[in-house]
Amino acid sequence: ETGVTQTPRHLVMGMTNKKSLKCEQHLGHNAMYWYKQSAKKPLELMFVYNFKEQTENNSVPSRFSPECPNSSHLFLHLHTLQPEDSALYLCASSQGTRNEQFFGPGTRLTVL
Amino acid sequence: LAKTTQPISMDSYEGQEVNITCSHNNIATNDYITWYQQFPSQGPRFIIQGYKTKVTNEVASLFIPADRKSSTLSLPRVSLSDTAVYYCLVGDMSSGTYKYIFGTGTRLKVLA
Repeated sequence: ETGVTQTPRHLVMGMTNKKSLKCEQHLGHNAMYWYKQSAKKPLELMFVYNFKEQTENNSVPSRFSPECPNSSHLFLHLHTLQPEDSALYLCASSQGTRNEQFFGPGTRLTVL
Repeated sequence: LAKTTQPISMDSYEGQEVNITCSHNNIATNDYITWYQQFPSQGPRFIIQGYKTKVTNEVASLFIPADRKSSTLSLPRVSLSDTAVYYCLVGDMSSGTYKYIFGTGTRLKVLA
């Protein structure tokens, strides 16, 4: 499926680096999400945007900074990450915040 | 924060029916229960969604008791390609505000 795309697919960064993850949805949805999935753990919701407005922030550390310039694009800006932030970061979108979510393939992030 | 719990793993043989239960004691009153399937290195994929009683689509059935504090995903006649991790997703109100909570995930292994 190409409805939700994420770039890059893999990212290795040092703790002092600044990088950004990008998500784009081509489904005409109005809600977008960032999730974190660590090894052998369930998905953890990080942020929810509805019509470009952030509606949910699940106590995510400030070293993760989301940006939603429009309903089709979502970014996750990363700075001074820790090794424990290494995980699969998944983006999703939906029409309304309580309907079926469509997920992207994820970005595999490794923090050295 | 209340957990949404599932069995960690299940094994089954091809052609059998598989039932996976999710416990969600603090589900939000007006929220749906949604189930997702995830293969390695991919984002989750929607399977089925329901509010109460029973819902059936071409791939699964979802059984929800009257109190809605649990739900059971039923996969009829599984095949090897159904080997995956299955997650339930509900809205939780235990913290006083609405939050999405993914279940802990059930790793299903289908054997030949």
